[in-house]
Amino acid sequence: DSGVTQTPKHLITATGQRVTLRCSPRSGDLSVYWYQQSLDQGLQFLIHYYNGEERAKGNILERFSAQQFPDLHSELNLSSLELGDSALYFCASRPAGTGNTGELFFGEGSRLTVL
Amino acid sequence: TQLLEQSPQFLSIQEGENLTVYCNSSSVFSSLQWYRQEPGEGPVLLVTVVTGGEVKKLKRLTFQFGDARKDSSLHITAAQPGDTGLYLCAGDDKIIFGKGTRLHILP
Repeated sequence: DSGVTQTPKHLITATGQRVTLRCSPRSGDLSVYWYQQSLDQGLQFLIHYYNGEERAKGNILERFSAQQFPDLHSELNLSSLELGDSALYFCASRPAGTGNTGELFFGEGSRLTVL
Repeated sequence: TQLLEQSPQFLSIQEGENLTVYCNSSSVFSSLQWYRQEPGEGPVLLVTVVTGGEVKKLKRLTFQFGDARKDSSLHITAAQPGDTGLYLCAGDDKIIFGKGTRLHILP
């Protein structure tokens, strides 16, 4: 158990719909990272938040947005869903003060299937 | 744009054999990390290498960081079925991940 909690574990929805994925980082971790993992693309970085502020953004689609709340949990919102958005979405947190060599602790992921 | 290329993409070998997988880039990284991911789970950190030329051992796994800090290798001695998984390397900013090497050890 990494200490990072992601919900839901599985989600099946239709094209055009909107979903929200939730992540609770490990207690005390201020950084939250979101990644998309599909079979042929590996782990694709989406966005990084630190203590409520956006720190870095990857090739995240405009249909996707995220935020980190004062209690440090984070949500990833995916809208106008397309078939190609079907993937595993991972959240990871990193201990404060560990810098770039700090370990990422990953949740178990949310598997999104768009039909 | 920094990229991490991992090779081979897939590897299936018999239990007891040795293997090496690679993580290469044209860019310099201040550190690289290796993660292993098992089906249905998130990646788990194996090691962080920081110094050029550094070698780290984790039981039967040996990790090396290239002198120029552009590449890294993972060598597994006497592979076991429990080593099966997806091996990912990651750059120091946590933004760049390789696509991984999917390793399958046959009993």
